[in-house]
Amino acid sequence: QLQLQESGPGLVKPSETLSLTCTVSGDSLSSSNYYWGWIRQPQGKGLEWIGSIYYRGATFYNPSLKTRVTVSIDMSKNQFSLSLKSVTAADTAVYYCVKHSITIFSVPNWFDPWGQGALVTVSS
Amino acid sequence: EIVLTQSPGTLSLSPGERATLSCWASQSVNSNFLAWYQQKPGQAPRLLIYGVSNRAAGIPDRFSNSGSGTDFALTISRLEPEDFAVYYCQQYASSPVTFGGGTKVEIK
Repeated sequence: QLQLQESGPGLVKPSETLSLTCTVSGDSLSSSNYYWGWIRQPQGKGLEWIGSIYYRGATFYNPSLKTRVTVSIDMSKNQFSLSLKSVTAADTAVYYCVKHSITIFSVPNWFDPWGQGALVTVSS
Repeated sequence: EIVLTQSPGTLSLSPGERATLSCWASQSVNSNFLAWYQQKPGQAPRLLIYGVSNRAAGIPDRFSNSGSGTDFALTISRLEPEDFAVYYCQQYASSPVTFGGGTKVEIK
């Protein structure tokens, strides 16, 4: 059974870089034609797609975060990672890693499954 | 980007009742590229339905979706105790994909 697990620091200082890793178990990142992405949810609020990566390295990002986001992949560890630079309090959220495919228009489609989520607080 | 508006914000119902949740899009969602998720407190969202009536694995048939264009709905035919949660719609017709603000279904 495919499982995703987020890990990383729970507290990041303003202006620094948020870094999270998602470890995938039960499947290989390269075994099928899927994409691996990140979604965040501020406490008590809605969901925002951040960005995604294909195992061959192609990435695409939400334009609202594109200038600050990098998603990368480590096939040897079966992990993919999120880096969000120059964070502010507005980046405080639960961050989820997800698996998805894409539509014929190269848009991420539905997200399934999700990791359990990692709370990241931006505070000095 | 496509903005999704969900209504009502909160739906107060009793077990056994029928729940209808609405999701309105700021522009047409082509090919019914819309999904629904359920989220319980402290948990990640769980995929319920995507596209034209495709239920995710393990989702009971009391969950169904309908609509087209800009107006969509999720219906729970008879609420079970485990169905009280927050529900989100998500469009994947155009990038960036976006989510609605959610509807909370609470016990009356």
